Amino acid sequence: IVLTQSPGTLSVSPGAGAALSCRASQNIHNTYLNWYQQQPGQAPRLIITGTSTRATGIPDRFSGSGSGTDFTLTISRLEPEDFGVYYCQQYATSPLTFGGGTKVEIK
Amino acid sequence: QVQLVQSGAEVRNPGASVRLSCKASGYTFVNFYIHWVRQAPGQGPEWMGVISPSEGTIENAEKFQGRVTMTRDMSTSTVYMELSSLTSEDTAVYYCARNYYYMDVWGKGTTVTVS
Repeated sequence: IVLTQSPGTLSVSPGAGAALSCRASQNIHNTYLNWYQQQPGQAPRLIITGTSTRATGIPDRFSGSGSGTDFTLTISRLEPEDFGVYYCQQYATSPLTFGGGTKVEIK
Repeated sequence: QVQLVQSGAEVRNPGASVRLSCKASGYTFVNFYIHWVRQAPGQGPEWMGVISPSEGTIENAEKFQGRVTMTRDMSTSTVYMELSSLTSEDTAVYYCARNYYYMDVWGKGTTVTVS
């Protein structure tokens, strides 16, 4: 399953919101779509599991939604630590795949 | 606390092999799968495969079949990943990560340079 993320780069002012898109090449059950955040020089960090469940310690300004082939990660009221690259990932079918990423940068 | 501790950076010549380790602590080792994911400079993550520590069963990405060997040592709660026939395109940070459908705990990564 190919995951296509858009936009490639999103310029956002601190305090504003952002919507990141992940489109799958075939239907994915909600259970198997996840989101990660990666900061420079660090490992990815799990943000959302099963389309909409926040991982442990993730603040409620992060939310996930979607179904079928279209999924969205929404970040409200961006904080300085929210800037980085976000990846969606699926394991509905093997091979496990990641999207190409959306870079959220400070405007 | 739950953590995955990875081995140190490696430098290899083209054609060589490299064996990386990932030691788990803070949880019951056999209860969680371990994935290997790599990330080339400036690129996104790329899945290599996953091993079940309890059963030793492996699912590999087709791209790496024949070149990747994953093993585990239950006595030390350690998973190993060996990659052979290295080329410059294998230069990357290699991560191990816990769980199956998603990855909730990640190691800090091991840098492998092929040059």
